[in-house]
Amino acid sequence: AQKVTQAQTEISVVEKEDVTLDCVYETRDTTYYLFWYKQPPSGELVFLIRRNSFDEQNEISGRYSWNFQKSTSSFNFTITASQVVDSAVYFCALSEAMGDYKLSFGAGTTVTVRA
Amino acid sequence: DTGVSQDPRHKITKRGQNVTFRCDPISEHNRLYWYRQTLGQGPEFLTYFQNEAQLEKSRLLSDRFSAERPKGSFSTLEIQRTEQGDSAMYLCASSLWGPEQYFGPGTRLTVT
Repeated sequence: AQKVTQAQTEISVVEKEDVTLDCVYETRDTTYYLFWYKQPPSGELVFLIRRNSFDEQNEISGRYSWNFQKSTSSFNFTITASQVVDSAVYFCALSEAMGDYKLSFGAGTTVTVRA
Repeated sequence: DTGVSQDPRHKITKRGQNVTFRCDPISEHNRLYWYRQTLGQGPEFLTYFQNEAQLEKSRLLSDRFSAERPKGSFSTLEIQRTEQGDSAMYLCASSLWGPEQYFGPGTRLTVT
């Protein structure tokens, strides 16, 4: 069975501060995908990033960056120079690398960015 | 059409009534998923279609739930004899072969 844990329930920061969201996962699969989704107050889940389990190179995309460490089963996500529009619930998710790709989500972390 | 659409966006029903939700995926996406999200939790997988075939159902999908995807286009999710525990956001997502799923705005169900 797959399991995703987001230990942080809520994070509150002042605009322009960096925000790091923690994600720890469990899976028996040797290959898998990891994702981060954003859910703003409107409710629609927005895809942010995807990472393959066989590629541990960390990347930066605009103000987003992620740190994938297979040895500790962690997939942390950072928003640099946060903005008020970043206020949302952020979900970490996991899927198999083949087959149906159904997603297993964590419980989410609510990020509030104050002006 | 640029995204996944769902109808209705909100539904209030009395316990015991039947409800049906519709999802229109992104054009040409062959995979369609239904998830349920309760307050303060992440979405949970319910069921999955590849074209018109329903290939997997979660144990969360009790006998009161049924989903269809005729002709491999739009999908419907029906809940019979609704219970208060069915109150949740029902999310639909679609994808084209790969793992990235694109979600619709959801249907919020309230059972009174």
